[in-house]
Amino acid sequence: ETGVTQSPTHLIKTRGQQVTLRCSSQSGHNTVSWYQQALGQGPQFIFQYYREEENGRGNFPPRFSGLQFPNYSSELNVNALELDDSALYLCASSLDGANGNQPQHFGDGTRLSIL
Amino acid sequence: GENVEQHPSTLSVQEGDSAVIKCTYSDSASNYFPWYKQELGKRPQLIIDIRSNVGEKKDQRIAVTLNKTAKHFSLHITETQPEDSAVYFCAANSGGGADGLTFGKGTHLIIQP
Repeated sequence: ETGVTQSPTHLIKTRGQQVTLRCSSQSGHNTVSWYQQALGQGPQFIFQYYREEENGRGNFPPRFSGLQFPNYSSELNVNALELDDSALYLCASSLDGANGNQPQHFGDGTRLSIL
Repeated sequence: GENVEQHPSTLSVQEGDSAVIKCTYSDSASNYFPWYKQELGKRPQLIIDIRSNVGEKKDQRIAVTLNKTAKHFSLHITETQPEDSAVYFCAANSGGGADGLTFGKGTHLIIQP
């Protein structure tokens, strides 16, 4: 069974740039959720994709957007990067996450630094 | 939306003693409560979870209790070992299900030899 994988592991960008982060879900999982984890804090929910559609969204602006593909892998796109976007971005996959009570398994994350 | 409070922020216990971490939640419709362990520089790892239709769940040295009336849940680790040292996060789903997990701020558990 393949776990959740994310790429890249680290990324450095400057203010105003755009970034795309990628996530491959665990085998058999059809739901992907993205979280932002600032240093010393718990993960914060960005949005969730279920069967290729955005299924829920946290308190993040529209410059945070995403996609899910037919193989259930997913992308997180962030436009007009700001210094406060520096964080660890975590992807979690689950099975049939639409009801929110299925275990979510995390990838290792992408560490994004904005200069 | 859901709000999850977690205490304490730091917990230091002697090896072999028990550790208890407590969380409260605000959304009475929440029905799923996982706990994650995160070691420095690593992914959050799901260690145990509980659904609202049960009051307690155990897995070897780890147990979780849930009090729906009071809206709080706790993680209990017995016979602590050095490898238990990590940051532990509690979380709760939002009643609608599609609002992801809301996490507490974390507890840094330190096991003293």
